[in-house]
Amino acid sequence: GESVGLHLPTLSVQEGDNSIINCAYSNSASDYFIWYKQESGKGPQFIIDIRSNMDKRQGQRVTVLLNKTVKHLSLQIAATQPGDSAVYFCAERLYSGAGSYQLTFGKGTKLSVIP
Amino acid sequence: EAQVTQNPRYLITVTGKKLTVTCSQNMNHEYMSWYRQDPGLGLRQIYYSMNVEVTDKGDVPEGYKVSRKEKRNFPLILESPSPNQTSLYFCASSSLYNEQFFGPGTRLTVL
Repeated sequence: GESVGLHLPTLSVQEGDNSIINCAYSNSASDYFIWYKQESGKGPQFIIDIRSNMDKRQGQRVTVLLNKTVKHLSLQIAATQPGDSAVYFCAERLYSGAGSYQLTFGKGTKLSVIP
Repeated sequence: EAQVTQNPRYLITVTGKKLTVTCSQNMNHEYMSWYRQDPGLGLRQIYYSMNVEVTDKGDVPEGYKVSRKEKRNFPLILESPSPNQTSLYFCASSSLYNEQFFGPGTRLTVL
């Protein structure tokens, strides 16, 4: 598979337990945040997003929490399954003027689920 | 099927030989972007485009060019590739205010 998992923080979780993956973002002016999942050999896949006017958003088995005070984002996965094993990235969006914006990605966390 | 496609998926080339990696999306997205992914450095944006004929530099644009002549296509051009451009490249697209959809990636090796 691809080597994107090298040198990354790793979280090992027992199957069925809940997982929490954390991310610190850099710019207090960022208005939109996204979590992506990347499996070996594939491109990043959208999981869930949250806008800066929200603190929490829930999806199917996933919850994203946003703490703007400390510029922190977390992804909670309920009842973690082997198929959840992947590298997880957070991304923040910042407008750069004239209707243009940039996405900046975190370095990622590797989640390993122990059967 | 809604998707972002990239070609080629794998490429080995030599220093200085011009190459183009194509990217196409069928979702009528305005926004398209190129990233490179390297171990320990995560995803870094090379160039992005808000719409046809509008392109902007990302965080690591040196050594790359792009064009956006049509809405669906956003090719990445390496005029004179060098070994430090060996990387995994991803193209992505989105509507202006929503999440990006990524292509499957292009593994480039420059010898």
